[in-house]
Amino acid sequence: AQSVAQPEDQVNVAEGNPLTVKCTYSVSGNPYLFWYVQYPNRGLQFLLKYITGDNLVKGSYGFEAEFNKSQTSFHLKKPSALVSDSALYFCAVRQSGGYQKVTFGIGTKLQVIP
Amino acid sequence: KAGVTQTPRYLIKTRGQQVTLSCSPISGHRSVSWYQQTPGQGLQFLFEYFSETQRNKGNFPGRFSGRQFSNSRSEMNVSTLELGDSALYLCASSLSGGEEREQFFGPGTRLTVL
Repeated sequence: AQSVAQPEDQVNVAEGNPLTVKCTYSVSGNPYLFWYVQYPNRGLQFLLKYITGDNLVKGSYGFEAEFNKSQTSFHLKKPSALVSDSALYFCAVRQSGGYQKVTFGIGTKLQVIP
Repeated sequence: KAGVTQTPRYLIKTRGQQVTLSCSPISGHRSVSWYQQTPGQGLQFLFEYFSETQRNKGNFPGRFSGRQFSNSRSEMNVSTLELGDSALYLCASSLSGGEEREQFFGPGTRLTVL
């Protein structure tokens, strides 16, 4: 069975500071990893994904994430937070092969303080 | 291209009733997935359809059912509604059935069961 853990319900960061939203996963085989963002009263929007290759993945709005196979982590990062980054962030995993379902974490609320 | 559309956006029902939610994917997208979103539970996978075939099913009771039509539009049905079915139901589409594909989400249908 596959699973995703987002250990922090909420992350607070000052505007201009770097931000990290943590995600760890568990799958039997190779993972496909995704980050999505949900703004208030909006659907989820895709940010970035890791399929294979370079462990550092760059995505929309200046976000990036680093795939770490040994630590089974896929933390989301941004060098300088904006107030407009305040939203709910979801990590998701899909085991490659066999068309397994996508499993989402419970989400982390990011609050950027002006 | 128009995004994923879901109708209706809001529904209020009473216990014991049934409800049908509709999802129109992005033009050309053949894969449609449904999720239930509740506070504290994140996104729970309901089903995934590809070319009118159910490819995956989550751990929900048989009261939850779905289908996909030849034009890729999808519906989900919940019979004998319970209070715990109150949630935001999200539909997501992707271009093909590829596991590495990111999903595009609709705004959701907010279901309230009284």
